[in-house]
Amino acid sequence: DTGVSQDPRHKITKRGQNVTFRCDPISEHNRLYWYRQTLGQGPEFLTYFQNEAQLEKSRLLSDRFSAERPKGSFSTLEIQRTEQGDSAMYLCASRSDSSNYGYTFGSGTRLTVV
Amino acid sequence: AQTVTQSQPEMSVQEAETVTLSCTYDTSESDYYLFWYKQPPSRQMILVIRQEAYKQQNATENRFSVNFQKAAKSFSLKISDSQLGDAAMYFCAFDSNYQLIWGAGTKLIIKP
Repeated sequence: DTGVSQDPRHKITKRGQNVTFRCDPISEHNRLYWYRQTLGQGPEFLTYFQNEAQLEKSRLLSDRFSAERPKGSFSTLEIQRTEQGDSAMYLCASRSDSSNYGYTFGSGTRLTVV
Repeated sequence: AQTVTQSQPEMSVQEAETVTLSCTYDTSESDYYLFWYKQPPSRQMILVIRQEAYKQQNATENRFSVNFQKAAKSFSLKISDSQLGDAAMYFCAFDSNYQLIWGAGTKLIIKP
């Protein structure tokens, strides 16, 4: 297992388009998290899953944002009708319920909305 | 509300010297975890060190150690024998059950 994988690494899209990002967590990690990070700031929590259940989604930034983890493995984050303010780094992290050693992060997807 | 504050936007240190990064937090919880993460430019977030609040002993990981003062809600990171590869943004984070709450980060510059 090579860690948390995110795809794509970079995405440039026109305003108004929809985008979808994928995250593949460490296989034995049942918890998966999405964060957004803007330049010069710490990450901002968006949502998280325990297995396939989305246990917290009230922090998603608007109803244009949605996330899924259909089989409790990989997850997708979709942003509909993108706006320039959505430009940011989107980070995925995973961890195991049985360990609180820490969260393992992916390299992120950098979104630029033009 | 739980908050994490890093009061030093930027710190610089001479290579091989020691530097301390500050972090304070606010919570009403008694049992929690604290983390320091490192984020090199354009690279992923890497866990540096973690501290469990119920443990009085300060965590250490090789050249990295923390000064955890629970009553003062302070969690500083000491980096000894600084190396060029330590240059990065350093984030302090508080584990609030289902999410990490982050400070704004401290940019660490290593002078050769």
